[in-house]
Amino acid sequence: GAVVSQHPSWVICKSGTSVKIECRSLDFQATTMFWYRQFPKQSLMLMATSNEGSKATYEQGVEKDKFLINHASLTLSTLTVTSAHPEDSSFYICSARIRTQRGLDEQFFGPGTRLTVL
Amino acid sequence: QKEVEQNSGPLSVPEGAIASLNCTYSDRVSQSFFWYRQYSGKSPELIMSIYSNGDKEDGRFTAQLNKASQYVSLLIRDSQPSDSATYLCAVSWGANNLFFGTGTRLTVIP
Repeated sequence: GAVVSQHPSWVICKSGTSVKIECRSLDFQATTMFWYRQFPKQSLMLMATSNEGSKATYEQGVEKDKFLINHASLTLSTLTVTSAHPEDSSFYICSARIRTQRGLDEQFFGPGTRLTVL
Repeated sequence: QKEVEQNSGPLSVPEGAIASLNCTYSDRVSQSFFWYRQYSGKSPELIMSIYSNGDKEDGRFTAQLNKASQYVSLLIRDSQPSDSATYLCAVSWGANNLFFGTGTRLTVIP
């Protein structure tokens, strides 16, 4: 399958600081990437859809001014958690959509970033 | 409201047995169906995709799709302790995002 990387894999920060997470598609170009959040023992929650060259589409209840998404190239999307607070501590996972040779779409996930806000 | 439902489990099977995981979805126009495996503390890993009715086999895994009954299942033959994980069913409608079930936790007992 396609390879998606994330950096950093984990981060600990103080309350009030901003944290940037990078998501890269390593061996393919992704016009669409997705950002998910997962709390312990809970299901994946889609936060936003990131489209190359345009504004991200946020899911209901996700603050776009708090979770800034930039998809400046076909291989890189970034999520910035601004003014992070302890309740933002979570596992953030990106995914990238790729079209297969059969013309069907599949999504591959990055390894995730564990954010802990003190 | 599009929904994807799974039994949360846990499902326990002895090593070497067949594990059967089921998933139902609400929308009849669903086009693509996926099974992801997620180990504790890790991100989901795509293990099977299926697009048409019937069975699709890949190694020890078999995905079964029945669009008329709106269910998709995953069979794991010769289950191994390393198969212990949460299995997520995901469904997409057209070019839309994936809709995930809450996952079924599988434990394979040695």
